[in-house]
Amino acid sequence: EIVLTQSPGILSLSPGERATLSCRASQRIANNFLAWFQQRPGQAPRLLIFGPSRRATGTPDRFTGSGSGTDFTLTISRLEPEDSAVYYCQQYGDSPWTFGQGTKLEIK
Amino acid sequence: QIHLVQSGAEVKRPGASVKVSCNTSGYTFTNYGVTWVRQAPGQGLEWMGWISGYNGDTKYAQKFQGRVTLTRDTSTSTMYMDLRNLRSDDTAMYYCARGADNGDYVGEYWGQGTLVTVSS
Repeated sequence: EIVLTQSPGILSLSPGERATLSCRASQRIANNFLAWFQQRPGQAPRLLIFGPSRRATGTPDRFTGSGSGTDFTLTISRLEPEDSAVYYCQQYGDSPWTFGQGTKLEIK
Repeated sequence: QIHLVQSGAEVKRPGASVKVSCNTSGYTFTNYGVTWVRQAPGQGLEWMGWISGYNGDTKYAQKFQGRVTLTRDTSTSTMYMDLRNLRSDDTAMYYCARGADNGDYVGEYWGQGTLVTVSS
């Protein structure tokens, strides 16, 4: 199965700064079927980006997905307090679909 | 509006089974598949499997093969996740999620989650 490794584990930034989250796959992801989810405490995950750069409905344009093959990035520009959450990447190109372990983003 | 509403919390003994339902509305049921994901307390997300809304085809994570069955009822637009031989480490929040509007299988619309607690 494809293992996804996210980095960093924890990211602490101030409002207005830019966040760069990485997701590296153990092998090439078919069709670049890579997605990013945001999960706030006590809530279900929310799809932000998929395919790997298409914004889901309602995703602000501050969120940008990029990458291909084995290396993918989620960039959040102009951080806001409500961006504080855990972010997961998921590949859905090859079964079993797998998730990364998550990056916790803290807004100071 | 698209809604996925899951059944309520369950408490089960080890060795028992649980069946979680995911009632969908607001779209054509047979046009989209549904993914099931779980999350143990304080842990990350874990993909369990996927079922086609069109023909009931399924994909399962190897870890759950033989213990989980995904089914659908087209007459009520409801998906089901049946997990057998429960263990304490099956204690988790279980989510269903419908595929994306463009047809991608990734979960775009999520249920509220069902907490399953396995305890003797």
